[in-house]
Amino acid sequence: SQQGEEDPQALSIQEGENATMNCSYKTSINNLQWYRQNSGRGLVHLILIRSNEREKHSGRLRVTLDTSKKSSSLLITASRAADTASYFCATEGNSGAGSYQLTFGKGTKLSVIP
Amino acid sequence: EAQVTQNPRYLITVTGKKLTVTCSQNMNHEYMSWYRQDPGLGLRQIYYSMNVEVTDKGDVPEGYKVSRKEKRNFPLILESPSPNQTSLYFCASRQLRLASLNHTDTQYFGPGTRLTVL
Repeated sequence: SQQGEEDPQALSIQEGENATMNCSYKTSINNLQWYRQNSGRGLVHLILIRSNEREKHSGRLRVTLDTSKKSSSLLITASRAADTASYFCATEGNSGAGSYQLTFGKGTKLSVIP
Repeated sequence: EAQVTQNPRYLITVTGKKLTVTCSQNMNHEYMSWYRQDPGLGLRQIYYSMNVEVTDKGDVPEGYKVSRKEKRNFPLILESPSPNQTSLYFCASRQLRLASLNHTDTQYFGPGTRLTVL
């Protein structure tokens, strides 16, 4: 069942600008992860934030998590053309059959124009 | 290098011809999983395995089989492929939380197998 929903579906920005993508989900989670996928290729894990964390940084990436609103955001600062890709959020459930299972959203397609 | 490998990377076949997509990981992970990715639908889980000889259905298991005879391998079997199984397939693996005090919840994905069923 689809849980994460990214917003927007597509985003086009100029190089150097910041890109913000949002993810909403429906049920309780253990953690939320963000992945990047270059066109038709494999998924690259970017960052993981646990349910008891509110914010996490990794290089130019900043992820926030609001469990009360069941939402997360991914901020990419000072974007580069090489950041052009699709970005997916994935939630891991925290009990029963949901444990370990990752449920993906449909993704945000980011285009960074040089 | 820690990795998940899949073979083949590309496959064109015909309806009804049995095929197997192999998946192997070298990280000694207990948990392995198969996903399919379709335009507009994102990634959906097909089957997963918590350990050797332990497999279970994901969200879209119909038309697929898996086996887990060894810890490192988790092949996906399509006994009688149909055109609606044309998709991009990903294998993934991760540690179980109790496997190590220093476990990570990160899932590691293979490079994908693009399957076309005519």
